[in-house]
Amino acid sequence: RKEVEQDPGPFNVPEGATVAFNCTYSNSASQSFFWYRQDCRKEPKLLMSVYSSGNEDGRFTAQLNRASQYISLLIRDSKLSDSATYLCVVNGAANAGKSTFGDGTTLTVKP
Amino acid sequence: GAVVSQHPSRVICKSGTSVKIECRSLDFQATTMFWYRQFPKKSLMLMATSNEGSKATYEQGVEKDKFLINHASLTLSTLTVTSAHPEDSSFYICSANRDRGNEQYFGPGTRLTVT
Repeated sequence: RKEVEQDPGPFNVPEGATVAFNCTYSNSASQSFFWYRQDCRKEPKLLMSVYSSGNEDGRFTAQLNRASQYISLLIRDSKLSDSATYLCVVNGAANAGKSTFGDGTTLTVKP
Repeated sequence: GAVVSQHPSRVICKSGTSVKIECRSLDFQATTMFWYRQFPKKSLMLMATSNEGSKATYEQGVEKDKFLINHASLTLSTLTVTSAHPEDSSFYICSANRDRGNEQYFGPGTRLTVT
């Protein structure tokens, strides 16, 4: 079983749609969680951190469920520019700073 | 602005030659940097953790004699792909943490093509 698992997609949605990505992790001692966005042939860039209390940044909402070892990302009112691969990233307590990446979920927003 | 730089951004080399890739933290000191490689349509695979002033820690299956890592200063780590072969062609990305356990800042990546 992979340490971090994501639904690879692809997700093809129309502009304005709401789309949700899920991620599960296997190490219950993991301490910090992130969603990164990666555009084609570019480096990953931090989209947002994920907290148990949930956090929202504009159209993006991230949620963490420690009991279920589950992370989610919700994108509302999708824009064409949201098309990218979204990576779920988990940092373990024993390896603070050493990140484990999911394989990514590809999103394509169409006009 | 960018906080981690990589050089070169793209390199093409012949089989059997060695290639050095530099990773620099631009406005902070990074005692630890990470080297990843990424194949097309795949996620990042951690190759090794580069530790300033000490030996790098390699992930299982990564040959330390093939991928030489040197972290000689608090702002610079280098990855040398020795005796490169076509199967080493990949996108190599480094990263560094400003604060332990927090988000990573990624370099822009180096696309290596071995002919």
